[in-house]
This record gives sequence, structure tokens and C-alpha cells, in this order.
Amino acid sequence: AQTVTQSQPEMSVQEAETVTLSCTYDTSESDYYLFWYKQPPSRQMILVIRQEAYKQQNATENRFSVNFQKAAKSFSLKISDSQLGDAAMYFCAYSGGSNYKLTFGKGTLLTVNP
Amino acid sequence: DTEVTQTPKHLVMGMTNKKSLKCEQHMGHRAMYWYKQKAKKPPELMFVYSYEKLSINESVPSRFSPECPNSSLLNLHLHALQPEDSALYLCASSRDRVVNTEAFFGQGTRLTVV
Repeated sequence: AQTVTQSQPEMSVQEAETVTLSCTYDTSESDYYLFWYKQPPSRQMILVIRQEAYKQQNATENRFSVNFQKAAKSFSLKISDSQLGDAAMYFCAYSGGSNYKLTFGKGTLLTVNP
Repeated sequence: DTEVTQTPKHLVMGMTNKKSLKCEQHMGHRAMYWYKQKAKKPPELMFVYSYEKLSINESVPSRFSPECPNSSLLNLHLHALQPEDSALYLCASSRDRVVNTEAFFGQGTRLTVV
């Protein structure tokens, strides 16, 4: 079974600084997808960034980038120039195999300090 | 329009009540999902509809009854719930059941069972 592990229950960062959230996963599949979702207090889950396992190039979306290490099964999220609006729960998620379910990690609560 | 709209936003119901949660999207997505999320936990998949047919039921108790009247609407009928069913119920949709396409989430219904 696929598992997703986020080892940092909480993280904090100063506004305008950079923070990295960790995620590791376990799978026997060769073709899969990885996601970072953000859930602010408004409760809505918002897709931050997506990575296809077959692509070696790390995905980037503005201030958000990932460090995808396929052999190590690691998928960390880097947030540059952190803003107050980045404060939220961040979930790492995996999708692959025959059922294409989204498997979520336990989440990392990010606090941004002014 | 990239919205998934859920109603109501909050619901308090007794254990003998019958109520329904509603979810609507107009993005032409053919896969729709119900998730249950307890406080400070990741979402847990309950049901998946693909082309208006139920394709995944994650062994959810029968007191939860999903319905997909058409490709834009998804309902979750609730009956004889227990206090432990209190949670945030999230609806999501994606272009199809292959989850590597982006899943859009609604803001959820905060359910309290008394």
C-alpha cells in the first residue's frame, strides 16, 4: 500500500524568508503523481503544485517549487519569499496505481510570522 | 468558473434527523468525490463517482448515502448519524477519475451531530 509521510507537524517562518516542508512516500509503482495541497482556515483545499513521476525536472509555480528525488522517494516543497497568506495546513498527496486514489500525508501546519 | 460549491456551510443535526449535503460544479468534470475530514487530520476518501456512477465506496457505513443526480450535482444523504460522524465533509471534482488531473475542492460542510 502507498503511504505518505510528513515528519514535520508544525513549521514556522519569518515573512519574506524561505521554508521547506518535507514529504516522503512509499510505493512500488513506477508511474504516479505527487501533489502539495494548501488548506487555509477557510477550509478549502487548494492545489499548490503537481509533479509527474516520469518528469525529472522539478515543478515550479511562482514562489513554490519542489525538490523531487525519485530514488529517495522524497518530495519536499520550498516556499520562497513567504507571505502572511501562505499560513495554512499543507498536505502532501500521492496518486498512482490502478485506483488513482489520493493518499494524503498527515499535514504540516505552517505559521508565517510578521 | 473553477468553483465547487457546497451547501450548507454549517449543519447541526440530531441523531434521529435526516439531512442532505449538496455539492455542485459547472466545470464539466466527470468525477466527483466525498471526503470526511476530522480536525487536524487529512481528508479521508468516502465515495467516488465517475460519469454519474458510483465507482468507489470506501466501506462507508450505510447511514451515509451518496447520490449523483447528474454530472454537475453530488449529494450526500445523512440518516441516523452518530456524534463521532461530526466532521468537515469535503466535496471535490476532477476532469475524470484519473487523479493526476487537478482535483478542485469545495469549502466543505462543517457537520455537528448532537
